[in-house]
Amino acid sequence: DTGVSQNPRHKITKRGQNVTFRCDPISEHNRLYWYRQTLGQGPEFLTYFQNEAQLEKSRLLSDRFSAERPKGSFSTLEIQRTEQGDSAMYLCASSPRWDGADGYTFGSGTRLTVV
Amino acid sequence: KQEVTQIPAALSVPEGENLVLNCSFTDSAIYNLQWFRQDPGKGLTSLLLIQSSQREQTSGRLNASLDKSSGRSTLYIAASQPGDSATYLCAALYNQGGKLIFGQGTELSVKP
Repeated sequence: DTGVSQNPRHKITKRGQNVTFRCDPISEHNRLYWYRQTLGQGPEFLTYFQNEAQLEKSRLLSDRFSAERPKGSFSTLEIQRTEQGDSAMYLCASSPRWDGADGYTFGSGTRLTVV
Repeated sequence: KQEVTQIPAALSVPEGENLVLNCSFTDSAIYNLQWFRQDPGKGLTSLLLIQSSQREQTSGRLNASLDKSSGRSTLYIAASQPGDSATYLCAALYNQGGKLIFGQGTELSVKP
């Protein structure tokens, strides 16, 4: 078990371009979460999945953002028409239990820079 | 509104000192609370997880406590080392399996 894997580690894109990030959770972890973290702040919740079902979306997740987990394994987070304000660290986490009683395991994150 | 606060935002101590990091939460109906460490530009590493029914958890030089009635958790680091320098984040879980609510973090610097 290699933990939660996120790719790419870094992404630099021009404003207006679309970007997609991938998260591979720990195998057999049914719950998968996306967070965004800006410099000097704690992570903010974006969305989470139970298997392939998206159960909650934050108001931070504007219509330019979409997340999927089509087969209940890996997940993708897409940002369309990127803006400079989207520059942040995007973190993925997974949990083995539906109730979170065993805690959450985070990946190393994807650092997005919009220029 | 459920909020988590960490004060101070930054802390600098000499090597060998014992220290306490603070975490406050506004709603006492917490399910569990997790402490994380984050190195610059990296992801989060879980340190300790405390269930709502527990008062404390220990791992090596780390001890975390939870007091729901006062809305506080503390992370105690014994005999600090330069390698402990990092940002420490606490996160509260209110709804089972739902979102973690994070504090802003405390950036710790341990000077040799």
